Amino acid sequence: EPEVTQTPSHQVTQMGQEVILRCVPISNHLYFYWYRQILGQKVEFLVSFYNNEISEKSEIFDDQFSVERPDGSNFTLKIRSTKLEDSAMYFCASMDRTYEQYFGPGTRLTVT
Amino acid sequence: RKEVEQDPGPFNVPEGATVAFNCTYSNSASQSFFWYRQDCRKEPKLLMSVYSSGNEDGRFTAQLNRASQYISLLIRDSKLSDSATYLCVVTGEMDSSYKLIFGSGTRLLVRP
Repeated sequence: EPEVTQTPSHQVTQMGQEVILRCVPISNHLYFYWYRQILGQKVEFLVSFYNNEISEKSEIFDDQFSVERPDGSNFTLKIRSTKLEDSAMYFCASMDRTYEQYFGPGTRLTVT
Repeated sequence: RKEVEQDPGPFNVPEGATVAFNCTYSNSASQSFFWYRQDCRKEPKLLMSVYSSGNEDGRFTAQLNRASQYISLLIRDSKLSDSATYLCVVTGEMDSSYKLIFGSGTRLLVRP
């Protein structure tokens, strides 16, 4: 069964450093998303991506964040200068035409 | 008012019990509705989509009442493996992003 994959599973970085989180969505899906979940809190939408451009972004997704689909398979989230409050689980998701979104296993980002 | 509200629980039930979760959402223009389950520190996994006519998948039955903006999930014959957090999820208004809006989840503990 096709699945969304994410790397790395855990990333530890120092405040102010750049991180890139990687995702490989399900191959025939066209819509891609990043969500985050701070420990003990609910899952929050960050950004959606369709047809090689951002279709919607949340207030959390400020100028420090960017997304890219550099080739036909990868979908990346970059945080330019990490802050302590960026520590969270970051989930990538992709969606098919039935509007059902499937999530990757997540990257746990720890900013020290 | 929260966009998606759920009773946080926990619901502590014996194996074999029937348990029901409820959820309300604030945006009457929401288009699609889902139940996801999330195990501790794992990704949300799609349990089922929810349709106005109600739908059933094995031991799980979901109902949607658009007039009351209310969604329910019924689990019959609970198993130990059903222990998880159940997330009520809606999409935003009909737009191009289909972002998911999550409730905080209801925790279920099934005891032997």
